[in-house]
Amino acid sequence: DADVTQTPRNRITKTGKRIMLECSQTKGHDRMYWYRQDPGLGLRLIYYSFDVKDINKGEISDGYSVSRQAQAKFSLSLESAIPNQTALYFCATSDSSASGGPISYNEQFFGPGTRLTVL
Amino acid sequence: QKEVEQNSGPLSVPEGAIASLNCTYSDRGSQSFFWYRQYSGKSPELIMSIYSNGDKEDGRFTAQLNKASQYVSLLIRDSQPSDSATYLCAVKFQGGGNKLTFGTGTQLKVEL
Repeated sequence: DADVTQTPRNRITKTGKRIMLECSQTKGHDRMYWYRQDPGLGLRLIYYSFDVKDINKGEISDGYSVSRQAQAKFSLSLESAIPNQTALYFCATSDSSASGGPISYNEQFFGPGTRLTVL
Repeated sequence: QKEVEQNSGPLSVPEGAIASLNCTYSDRGSQSFFWYRQYSGKSPELIMSIYSNGDKEDGRFTAQLNKASQYVSLLIRDSQPSDSATYLCAVKFQGGGNKLTFGTGTQLKVEL
């Protein structure tokens, strides 16, 4: 089945460490997204990419960076992790060609998530 | 700032009843609306999308959209304990650059 995978699934690290979270997809989608989820705050967009050469900041990009290595791969890095980056991180994908006339559907499909704890 | 509002719940319904989940959004020009189901500790799963005013049915789920009143709702008929989850409403705002804005979700509990 076409899928979205994330590695690692769980990670515990210490303040100041560099961390990379990886996302791969076999859906053939061109758009990829990174979100974090905190209790009571919902899903918040960190970065998104509409193709390999397109990287955009989301609403909470400070302290994060990304790399789109290929259409199927999108990595999120925490250069120097801090405790308030403890959260559940999700990668998502969507297909820009999926549309109904003038409406771009932009249905997003999520990976299983990475639970990150920064001590 | 463009917002999506949901009652956090929990919304408790007895097994077999209809669960009604509501969502309001701030931009009347929005065109795409989505409902996701999320079990505790798991990832959001897309269950419904709706783009036109009115109702859209898929099995036990019905999405209802009223653009004039800026709300979208999800009805779950014959609710089952397995429907117990948090339901996230997401909106693609006009001019939002093909991004989705999510509400904080409504927790649904289906009781035996």
